[in-house]
Amino acid sequence: NAGVTQTPKFQVLKTGQSMTLQCAQDMNHEYMSWYRQDPGMGLRLIHYSVGAGITDQGEVPNGYNVSRSTTEDFPLRLLSAAPSQTSVYFCATATGGNSPLHFGNGTRLTVT
Amino acid sequence: GQSLEQPSEVTAVEGAIVQINCTYQTSGFYGLSWYQQHDGGAPTFLSYNALDGLEETGRFSSFLSRSDSYGYLLLQELQMKDSASYFCAAKGYSGAGSYQLTFGKGTKLSVIP
Repeated sequence: NAGVTQTPKFQVLKTGQSMTLQCAQDMNHEYMSWYRQDPGMGLRLIHYSVGAGITDQGEVPNGYNVSRSTTEDFPLRLLSAAPSQTSVYFCATATGGNSPLHFGNGTRLTVT
Repeated sequence: GQSLEQPSEVTAVEGAIVQINCTYQTSGFYGLSWYQQHDGGAPTFLSYNALDGLEETGRFSSFLSRSDSYGYLLLQELQMKDSASYFCAAKGYSGAGSYQLTFGKGTKLSVIP
């Protein structure tokens, strides 16, 4: 039982490049979400999904796309990386209702 | 919209008690959670209050007053390992059967000998 697995752990991109951050979970959680964490800003919600085929925007969605074709996977796509997207990205899942979020170990992204 | 306010830093002595406050403005409010994050690590869940009152889990307790849009996390018998950042997070209804968890900016707790 791996829980929430994020890959890669570290990534360096050049401005304008695109990439996909992967998030996979084996807990059959319906709710999946992406947060970014910047110093002094806490965790800000990018996109979230309450089930396969359903996605919605969070607080800071611009520059990011998501899809949820299966319960297990929720990839985050950066369309054209910008230095402002340098951050630590966390995927978090929950069963729904009042259940707590389970976080992955994060992806540290640097855009130069 | 959603917003949460909590102090940015708190320092307390080992063995003492510390309270971290959180005020929120959240539409469609369901409840308030608390998460702990050590430097370089991922946030981990501590507690959740959906109803008014105090919830106790070992050395940690969390309180909620929905009428005051206010909650706090109480840490007792502080240990050095409690040095971490603590986030309050409000769960709010976002329409069409969907909900969001919005986090405060975090309180960095330093426990000193």
